[in-house]
Amino acid sequence: DTGVSQDPRHKITKRGQNVTFRCDPISEHNRLYWYRQTLGQGPEFLTYFQNEAQLEKSRLLSDRFSAERPKGSFSTLEIQRTEQGDSAMYLCASSLEGGYTEAFFGQGTRLTVV
Amino acid sequence: AQTVTQSQPEMSVQEAETVTLSCTYDTSESNYYLFWYKQPPSRQMILVIRQEAYKQQNATENRFSVNFQKAAKSFSLKISDSQLGDTAMYFCAFMKPTTQGGSEKLVFGKGTKLTVNP
Repeated sequence: DTGVSQDPRHKITKRGQNVTFRCDPISEHNRLYWYRQTLGQGPEFLTYFQNEAQLEKSRLLSDRFSAERPKGSFSTLEIQRTEQGDSAMYLCASSLEGGYTEAFFGQGTRLTVV
Repeated sequence: AQTVTQSQPEMSVQEAETVTLSCTYDTSESNYYLFWYKQPPSRQMILVIRQEAYKQQNATENRFSVNFQKAAKSFSLKISDSQLGDTAMYFCAFMKPTTQGGSEKLVFGKGTKLTVNP
């Protein structure tokens, strides 16, 4: 296993368009997190999945954002009607269940909205 | 809500020297974890070191060690014998453990950009 994989690495889109990002966690990890990192800031939590169930969402996740994790494997994060303020690095992390276990991060998807 | 503050936006150090990065946090929890993550340019974030709040002994990992002052809510990272490969953004993070199945999301500081000069 090569770790957490995210696709695409970079995405440039016009304002108003929809975009979708994909995250493939480490295969045996049942916890999956999405974070957003803007320039000069640390990552901020967006949402959390335990297997296929989305158990927590941040208030940062407006109704233009939707995340899924069908069958508890890969996850997608969709942003509808993108705005310039959505420009950021979107990070995915995964970990095992069962008390504290280390979270492993992907390289992220950098979104630029023009 | 928990907050994490890193007061040093940028730091630099000469190769082979020692540098300390500062972090303070605010929480009303008694049981929690603290972390330092490293994010090299264009590469994924990796865990450097972690500290459980209930442990009084400071964590160490090779050249990396922490000074955990629970009462002061301070958690600094010391890098000894700095190497060029240590050049990266360093993030301090807080995590409250939950019961099985719950989210263990990380709360990050804004980061410190460390440059190791040859």
